[in-house]
Amino acid sequence: QVQLVESGGGVVQPGRSLRLSCAASGFAFSTYSFHWVRQAPGQGLEWVAFVSSDGTLKHYRESVKGRFTISRDNFKKTVSLQISGLRREDTALYYCVREGNYHQPGFDYWGQGTLIAVSS
Amino acid sequence: DIQMTQSPSYVSASVGDRVTISCRASQGISSWLAWYQQKPGRAPTLLIYSASTLQSGVPSRFSGSGSGTDFTLTISSLQPEDFATYYCQQSNSFPFTFGQGTKLEIK
Repeated sequence: QVQLVESGGGVVQPGRSLRLSCAASGFAFSTYSFHWVRQAPGQGLEWVAFVSSDGTLKHYRESVKGRFTISRDNFKKTVSLQISGLRREDTALYYCVREGNYHQPGFDYWGQGTLIAVSS
Repeated sequence: DIQMTQSPSYVSASVGDRVTISCRASQGISSWLAWYQQKPGRAPTLLIYSASTLQSGVPSRFSGSGSGTDFTLTISSLQPEDFATYYCQQSNSFPFTFGQGTKLEIK
């Protein structure tokens, strides 16, 4: 069965760095695009970043450009989000999300999330 | 960026009721619209994609309609397990954006 398992979250001081990882299993990893979506405590969903199936295309929301870097390893079946210059407003639960194929778009599988709390 | 606006933000309804949630895009997105359900403490789940296509395994009481800028999620007969928060999301162009959410509460 499809599984996405995030890790790497924690409590971190403003300005520090963190690397989130998402381990995938149960499907043909290299044929799917992935996203990171975050949710601040008690708030709605916010799209963060995208990486295409072959890793060549990447997109970010404006507020994280230059600080967040999404990447993937199709051999290890992992997606990563390198975060630097953390800000208090980055505090959120970060979900790794699979995007369905062209004929079935939409975020069809979500991980359980990993929490980042930015605090001094 | 394309803004997605849901209405209402809160709706109170009873089991068996028909409920409609609206989502409006700030510019045309064709049918690049998905709906998600999120229950407390859980990750969202995909209900509908391409505005009106039911995701596999989703009960048929859920339906979606619309194209362009105006979209609707309808639950034909509310069941106890449907009380949750619902989000629309556009994937027409980056940055992908979500509506602010509609919380469906038990009356």
